[in-house]
Amino acid sequence: AQSVAQPEDQVNVAEGNPLTVKCTYSVSGNPYLFWYVQYPNRGLQFLLKYITGDNLVKGSYGFEAEFNKSQTSFHLKKPSALVSDSALYFCAVRDIGGFKTIFGAGTRLFVKA
Amino acid sequence: EPEVTQTPSHQVTQMGQEVILRCVPISNHLYFYWYRQILGQKVEFLVSFYNNEISEKSEIFDDQFSVERPDGSNFTLKIRSTKLEDSAMYFCASSGGSNSNQPQHFGDGTRLSIL
Repeated sequence: AQSVAQPEDQVNVAEGNPLTVKCTYSVSGNPYLFWYVQYPNRGLQFLLKYITGDNLVKGSYGFEAEFNKSQTSFHLKKPSALVSDSALYFCAVRDIGGFKTIFGAGTRLFVKA
Repeated sequence: EPEVTQTPSHQVTQMGQEVILRCVPISNHLYFYWYRQILGQKVEFLVSFYNNEISEKSEIFDDQFSVERPDGSNFTLKIRSTKLEDSAMYFCASSGGSNSNQPQHFGDGTRLSIL
């Protein structure tokens, strides 16, 4: 069965410092991987996805993610955090050809000025 | 930028009553989804819908639930006889393209409160 783990409930980082939000996954085959962000009282917004190819994926708002097949990880990164990046971040996985998306529990990111 | 819109933003219903949550997906999208998020917990997949039929559903999506695309623009989720544990945020999403690697666009959700 598919599963997604986000081992940190919360990540705290100072503005201007690099940030990493961790995600590991478990699927039977090759997955599609996604990151979404959720601001208070809003729906999820797509940040980036990994389908195939280059292991480093670039997305919206300066975010990027690194796919590591051997470690089954898909960590979200940003070189320089902004206070406005403070939000809830979800990693998600979907089987190739499937439609059921499995979300991680979410990681709350706090960026301090 | 086109958006997925959901109504109402908050629905309060007595236990045992039927409730219909409404969504207007992005107009040229072909795939539609419902998710729920119980307060403080993860986002859970309920159902996906394509070509006027359910393409996949989770174990949560039992006989109490149904989905419908009654016209060319709306996509609804009906809960036939609500239970207290149905209280949650319900998100509609849609995606375009012809395969499942397309990102989903989410609405801002309907908060369902069962009394």
